[in-house]
Amino acid sequence: GAVVSQHPSWVICKSGTSVKIECRSLDFQATTMFWYRQFPKQSLMLMATSNEGSKATYEQGVEKDKFLINHASLTLSTLTVTSAHPEDSSFYICSARDWGATNEKLFFGSGTQLSVL
Amino acid sequence: AQTVTQSQPEMSVQEAETVTLSCTYDTSESDYYLFWYKQPPSRQMILVIRQEAYKQQNATENRFSVNFQKAAKSFSLKISDSQLGDAAMYFCASLGASGSRLTFGEGTQLTVNP
Repeated sequence: GAVVSQHPSWVICKSGTSVKIECRSLDFQATTMFWYRQFPKQSLMLMATSNEGSKATYEQGVEKDKFLINHASLTLSTLTVTSAHPEDSSFYICSARDWGATNEKLFFGSGTQLSVL
Repeated sequence: AQTVTQSQPEMSVQEAETVTLSCTYDTSESDYYLFWYKQPPSRQMILVIRQEAYKQQNATENRFSVNFQKAAKSFSLKISDSQLGDAAMYFCASLGASGSRLTFGEGTQLTVNP
């Protein structure tokens, strides 16, 4: 079945540095990708919707200059946390929508645990 | 706009028994999809079952089935013959046909007792 690869699985960085997370759809084209943030024992909070070749649509309250999203190809979307601070520490998950599927399907990456020191 | 509500933060069931997880939703879209996802401790999101809103027949996947009540905007998940491996956080979610956003409920932590 379709797979979404997300890297890195975990990252530790110093406060003030930037971190890039990659989300790749393997063997299918994902014109739309979603980025979520999840705190411990809480639900997934949608941060932004990424469409290939266009600017991402951010949810209310999400700083677009803080969380840069690029979806330059049909198989790759990236989330860059700029000037990371400890409060940005969280679990980030991407999801890709397979438009080619006969049934509506969404596939999730394995997530990235970000820890900012 | 879409909202999804799961009113049961925690549920428990005895192994081999049946349990039902509740979910209600609201959406402004006329066509949409509903999902149940499972998130084990590994935190990988696993699709359990999906339902197209235009289909009246309830979806089933082996031991998992849904009770979809469109007028009541209810979408409950029934797990039959519960197994230890079913223990996880379960999320109900809705996606409009326009595909703009997948909205999740708060989640239900399911414990399976041996």
